[in-house]
Amino acid sequence: EAQVTQNPRYLITVTGKKLTVTCSQNMNHEYMSWYRQDPGLGLRQIYYSMNVEVTDKGDVPEGYKVSRKEKRNFPLILESPSPNQTSLYFCASSFLRTDEKLFFGSGTQLSVL
Amino acid sequence: AQSVSQHNHHVILSEAASLELGCNYSYGGTVNLFWYVQYPGQHLQLLLKYFSGDPLVKGIKGFEAEFIKSKFSFNLRKPSVQWSDTAEYFCAVNAAAGNKLTFGGGTRVLVKP
Repeated sequence: EAQVTQNPRYLITVTGKKLTVTCSQNMNHEYMSWYRQDPGLGLRQIYYSMNVEVTDKGDVPEGYKVSRKEKRNFPLILESPSPNQTSLYFCASSFLRTDEKLFFGSGTQLSVL
Repeated sequence: AQSVSQHNHHVILSEAASLELGCNYSYGGTVNLFWYVQYPGQHLQLLLKYFSGDPLVKGIKGFEAEFIKSKFSFNLRKPSVQWSDTAEYFCAVNAAAGNKLTFGGGTRVLVKP
């Protein structure tokens, strides 16, 4: 089944403790992206990647890192999480570009205490 | 920079009522426009998209949207809603040939049985 898989589904952590949220897609998509969803603000793009080893900042990249060493994986790294990064995170992918249908993962609810 | 505004944050309707959700974007060039839907507890799914051609776009589940270039709008409509249309709806815009998809703040729709 074609899908975007994120893990974990829920995560509670403390300020400053490094964490990684994984994202994997099995559709051979070239484009992958991370969003955070906050009430009233919709989805805001954190980082995106057009292909392996090609990443770029979205609208809210501060405090986040990403890597794209393989086509299928696009992990989101929070080196030193802070409470303002408490949010619902979504990974998404599409075949080539953002003008194509995005496939979303199920989301990761992160709470930073 | 592109931006998207959804003016209604919450909409409450009864079944069989008609629905119209507003979406306005700001970008001076050619754009691709999308509506995504997020059902409770689920990830985002594409409802419909506009790239070019007929400005009236039909999507899944009886939804349609009209692109009015002069008004920078892409409003979503459904003539008769069902309880199962309860969801959050997001408008999104992508500058043609760009790599960023910008979402609006979302509209929560509650359909009362």
